[in-house]
Amino acid sequence: QKEVEQNSGPLSVPEGAIASLNCTYSDRGSQSFFWYRQYSGKSPELIMFIYSNGDKEDGRFTAQLNKASQYVSLLIRDSQPSDSATYLCAVNRYGANNLFFGTGTRLTVIP
Amino acid sequence: GAVVSQHPSWVICKSGTSVKIECRSLDFQATTMFWYRQFPKQSLMLMATSNEGSKATYEQGVEKDKFLINHASLTLSTLTVTSAHPEDSSFYICSAATGLNYGYTFGSGTRLTIV
Repeated sequence: QKEVEQNSGPLSVPEGAIASLNCTYSDRGSQSFFWYRQYSGKSPELIMFIYSNGDKEDGRFTAQLNKASQYVSLLIRDSQPSDSATYLCAVNRYGANNLFFGTGTRLTVIP
Repeated sequence: GAVVSQHPSWVICKSGTSVKIECRSLDFQATTMFWYRQFPKQSLMLMATSNEGSKATYEQGVEKDKFLINHASLTLSTLTVTSAHPEDSSFYICSAATGLNYGYTFGSGTRLTIV
């Protein structure tokens, strides 16, 4: 079982719609959860992080964490073509110094 | 804040040569840096964890004699790909832990092409 799993997609949504990206993780000891966006040929950039159960909102982005279900998601409201990228979910386990990445979900926002 | 600078952004070298990639934390001290490799349409693969003043910790399957890591100061880590071959061509990215609130910041990456 992989540490972090994501649906590779591609996920296509029309401009202005809500894009929902999902991620599951295997280690219940995981502490912190990150969403990164990676454009083709570029390095990942941090969008949001979340530590506590529930929702965390930042502009058009909302991260949702459910530790009981070992599930973290990212919602993008009012999706724009510029949101088209690969979204990486990453998890930091307790006692581990590094992040464990999922394989990423490729999102395409159709104008 | 929390900027990580990585150089060069791209490099093309002949097979058999060695290539050094630098990763600098510009506005913070990074006792730990991470080196990743990413092949096209694949996710990031952690190669090694670089610790200031001590030997790097390599992930399983990564040759430490081929991928030399030096972390001599709190702001600089280097990755040297020795005797590079075409199969080493990849996108190499460093990152540094900036503290819990910032997560991990990535450098801009180095596109290495061995011909």
